[in-house]
Amino acid sequence: DGGITQSPKYLFRKEGQNVTLSCEQNLNHDAMYWYRQDPGQGLRLIYYSQIVNDFQKGDIAEGYSVSREKKESFPLTVTSAQKNPTAFYLCASSPQGNGNEKLFFGSGTQLSVL
Amino acid sequence: GENVEQHPSTLSVQEGDSAVIKCTYSDSASNYFPWYKQELGKRPQLIIDIRSNVGEKKDQRIAVTLNKTAKHFSLHITETQPEDSAVYFCAASPYSGAGSYQLTFGKGTKLSVIP
Repeated sequence: DGGITQSPKYLFRKEGQNVTLSCEQNLNHDAMYWYRQDPGQGLRLIYYSQIVNDFQKGDIAEGYSVSREKKESFPLTVTSAQKNPTAFYLCASSPQGNGNEKLFFGSGTQLSVL
Repeated sequence: GENVEQHPSTLSVQEGDSAVIKCTYSDSASNYFPWYKQELGKRPQLIIDIRSNVGEKKDQRIAVTLNKTAKHFSLHITETQPEDSAVYFCAASPYSGAGSYQLTFGKGTKLSVIP
């Protein structure tokens, strides 16, 4: 499952600070996604993008922002407005088109609040 | 929006026994149902999926069944092995156009296979 890389593996945020999580893929996939994983809560969709320069809010977008300036990159910013940011964040990508629904996940970033 | 319920949250089985995990969904427009496996410390990986035009799909020791009328689908693992120990997530999605699916995941089932 190489081809989608998240960094850093661990990240610490101070009060009032914005932090950015990196997600890069070289799979030539059109669609990219950000999920938040909390213990016992499954995976919840934060934002997704189907094409460069376009993205949509998922189920829990408040306190987060994204950009999609390049096909390969989909960074997620956790803003100070997100009051409970401690979680495991997973980035994923998939090709577009029927029959191409498989999500390829990165290895994740664990974000903690200092 | 879609709501996916998954049961049980934890499941322990003896090696060689079968394991069944069940999910229900709320949106009758959902037509794609994948299952992901996440081993400890690793990323989720797709193990099997099913579309609404079929009722059952098998891949070696793994099978998924779908009941559209009742809006539930299940994962069946036969002859369980210790390496099957992991957290399993079900998901559901309607087709949202432009070849894309926005999956709603269940909360996961932690399966432990006891040697």
